[in-house]
Amino acid sequence: GAGVSQSPRYKVAKRGQDVALRCDPISGHVSLFWYQQALGQGPEFLTYFQNEAQLDKSGLPSDRFFAERPEGSVSTLKIQRTQQEDSAVYLCASSLTNTVIGEQFFGPGTRLTVL
Amino acid sequence: DAKTTQPTSMDCAEGRAANLPCNHSTISGNEYVYWYRQIHSQGPQYIIHGLKNNETNEMASLIITEDRKSSTLILPHATLRDTAVYYCIVRDNTDKLIFGTGTRLQVFP
Repeated sequence: GAGVSQSPRYKVAKRGQDVALRCDPISGHVSLFWYQQALGQGPEFLTYFQNEAQLDKSGLPSDRFFAERPEGSVSTLKIQRTQQEDSAVYLCASSLTNTVIGEQFFGPGTRLTVL
Repeated sequence: DAKTTQPTSMDCAEGRAANLPCNHSTISGNEYVYWYRQIHSQGPQYIIHGLKNNETNEMASLIITEDRKSSTLILPHATLRDTAVYYCIVRDNTDKLIFGTGTRLQVFP
């Protein structure tokens, strides 16, 4: 079956540009997560949705980062006025349940390079 | 911050068992131990999780000490495709996963 998909897989942006990263979770999955992974580091939590509700955005590094999931399925992570330090792999994960023991299924990530 | 400590890297011969240790001395009673791995250029992949008892599935075994302060992930017959970064995660009653830097396992022929 289809897993979590993300697009684009690679994005190059000039500093100051806005970017939008898309995540298509597994159909029917309630929970959706965004993580940021810098080179050589483990993924770091950014934000979490349960259906369309954004329940936790404590990991978003600045107000330039914005995420939405308006219909409770597809999600978009938007970064405004990109900076070089935003260069990273952005991972999306989805989970069937909203309980703590739900396994998270990850997409392949979007590699963002800001020049 | 991650609540776990893992060795930075390990090697294992193909066909042998890979034993990956993890310390989580501050784990509390309702926290689970999860293991994920990340093969190069892919997203993390769930392996196994446990609370108190040892667990086994088709991928691996998880051995948790009686005091729950440490655990070991066992890949019984490592293959070259098991080369990856392995993350041990203590998961509390929030939904997010808090990754550390993991153990880079290199399986060699």
